[in-house]
Amino acid sequence: DVKVTQSSRYLVKRTGEKVFLECVQDMDHENMFWYRQDPGLGLRLIYFSYDVKMKEKGDIPEGYSVSREKKERFSLILESASTNQTSMYLCASSLSDRDPRGNTGELFFGEGSRLTVL
Amino acid sequence: GQQLNQSPQSMFIQEGEDVSMNCTSSSIFNTWLWYKQDPGEGPVLLIALYKAGELTSNGRLTAQFGITRKDSFLNISASIPSDVGIYFCAGTFPLMDSNYQLIWGAGTKLIIKP
Repeated sequence: DVKVTQSSRYLVKRTGEKVFLECVQDMDHENMFWYRQDPGLGLRLIYFSYDVKMKEKGDIPEGYSVSREKKERFSLILESASTNQTSMYLCASSLSDRDPRGNTGELFFGEGSRLTVL
Repeated sequence: GQQLNQSPQSMFIQEGEDVSMNCTSSSIFNTWLWYKQDPGEGPVLLIALYKAGELTSNGRLTAQFGITRKDSFLNISASIPSDVGIYFCAGTFPLMDSNYQLIWGAGTKLIIKP
């Protein structure tokens, strides 16, 4: 059964703390994504990666960084957490643009990590 | 940037009722997708549509890719309690460099009245 696994379902951190959110996929997908989900705003893309050591900014990258040292793992880092980063964070993966079927937007999501920053 | 307008924002329905939701845009999209998010879980793909006019079913769910390529709808027939959740539309928007951008609607929250 294919799977995207996020390391923590629930986290509570204090303002100014460094936060790591880990995501691992077992589908050998090239593409990985980090989204943030807030009520009424849908899914907003923070960062994505098309390959190992590659990263691209999404729509709301401020206050975040990412790391992709291995194909199966994509980490989201909050260098200094703030209360406005309290949210649900979703990791996803998909097949490569170079797949002959084309990149159709079919993403596989993890279960989400709900972060509360006090 | 590109936007998808998804409506309604939420729906309160009785068990057994049919449900309809839609997404519209002022831009043309290559692909339309419908995802469902169960409470406490990540979204899961329900239906993917690849051609204008395409009508696809998945059990009690039916979705269509609008003929203008600027809209899509999702219908759920005879709703049951496990249909509760948030339904997201998403579309792939073509970029100049032959890549694409995945755009998301804000979601429709489906609640079934007891």
